[in-house]
Amino acid sequence: AQSVTQLGSHVSVSEGALVLLRCNYSSSVPPYLFWYVQYPNQGLQLLLKYTSAATLVKGINGFEAEFKKSETSFHLTKPSAHMSDAAEYFCAVRTGGFKTIFGAGTRLFVKA
Amino acid sequence: DGGITQSPKYLFRKEGQNVTLSCEQNLNHDAMYWYRQDPGQGLRLIYYSQIVNDFQKGDIAEGYSVSREKKESFPLTVTSAQKNPTAFYLCASSMGRESGRAFFGQGTRLTVV
Repeated sequence: AQSVTQLGSHVSVSEGALVLLRCNYSSSVPPYLFWYVQYPNQGLQLLLKYTSAATLVKGINGFEAEFKKSETSFHLTKPSAHMSDAAEYFCAVRTGGFKTIFGAGTRLFVKA
Repeated sequence: DGGITQSPKYLFRKEGQNVTLSCEQNLNHDAMYWYRQDPGQGLRLIYYSQIVNDFQKGDIAEGYSVSREKKESFPLTVTSAQKNPTAFYLCASSMGRESGRAFFGQGTRLTVV
């Protein structure tokens, strides 16, 4: 069965600091992996997705993620945090069909 | 503009009443989904539909019902059998391919009093 684990329900960084949000997945077949962002009381927006074309995936708003098969990880990074990055971030995996499995989410706080 | 629309944004109902949440998409997507979001639990799949007139239970279908009579529409009914219906409900759609990303509506916050 597929699963997604996001390490840390809350992450706090200073403005301008590196953002690192961790995601590990479990899948018996090559996965399609996604990162979504959610602002308060809104739906989810796609940040980026991995579909086996390249292990380093660049997304919107300066975010990127690297697929590491040996570590079954797909961590999200951004070199320099901005106040507007404060939101909740979800890692998700989709394999073999129509279902997408979401992690529990990581809330990012950005301090001035 | 193409997109997925949920209505209403906020909904209040008395305990014991059924309530229907609307979800409409004009993206020509085959697949549609309903998720429930509770704090600290991520998104949990309630029902999904791959094609018109067909739908499958997700992980937490008890106390919910859906229909898919039109490709564009996938309404969710929260019945009185749902023990804890107060939550944020998200509707999504996708092309249906494995690599397809999901497009989400803005959500409906249901409060049962």
